[in-house]
Amino acid sequence: GENVEQHPSTLSVQEGDSAVIKCTYSDSASNYFPWYKQELGKRPQLIIDIRSNVGEKKDQRIAVTLNKTAKHFSLHITETQPEDSAVYFCAAPNQAGTALIFGKGTTLSVSS
Amino acid sequence: DVKVTQSSRYLVKRTGEKVFLECVQDMDHENMFWYRQDPGLGLRLIYFSYDVKMKEKGDIPEGYSVSREKKERFSLILESASTNQTSMYLCASSLQGLNTGELFFGEGSRLTVL
Repeated sequence: GENVEQHPSTLSVQEGDSAVIKCTYSDSASNYFPWYKQELGKRPQLIIDIRSNVGEKKDQRIAVTLNKTAKHFSLHITETQPEDSAVYFCAAPNQAGTALIFGKGTTLSVSS
Repeated sequence: DVKVTQSSRYLVKRTGEKVFLECVQDMDHENMFWYRQDPGLGLRLIYFSYDVKMKEKGDIPEGYSVSREKKERFSLILESASTNQTSMYLCASSLQGLNTGELFFGEGSRLTVL
């Protein structure tokens, strides 16, 4: 089945710096890669996703890149702000394409 | 706004008790999911359902069962709770076709088994 590895598990940056979180997946047939953000005490929420027919997608300060050959995708956050502090999860579809398998999460801390 | 409601935010149960976690969504979504969240382990899929009375095992179904008698309701059942089932349980739903839409999560049910 699909296996999603996420790195790093924790990331600390200064306000204004960039942050990059990387995920690798095992199933070459996977074609949908979302990122979820979970603030402390709250539910995970989708922040950006990418499909396999594009290599990059941007939404203001966040972007996701996909390298299908290497089977990895990354979340990029520029000009980080304290409110970006949260746990971020990447995900990929299971082998049947019927459910999402999540990475173990990255705790991002942005200090001002 | 999609609303996914989990009936209990916090539960404390004894080892061996039967536990029901209820989840209701109000947007007529076909797909519903149960994940458990543990520090350092992320979100792990327990069971999911893509239609009424249908269920599929996820990655960690052992010790759990589910029920989906109505489209809007998906229940997670722990037949005999054990201490290693102490966790945060998250329900989610999505419109049909997983790859075309996002998962909407409930606020979670934190279960402690003593």
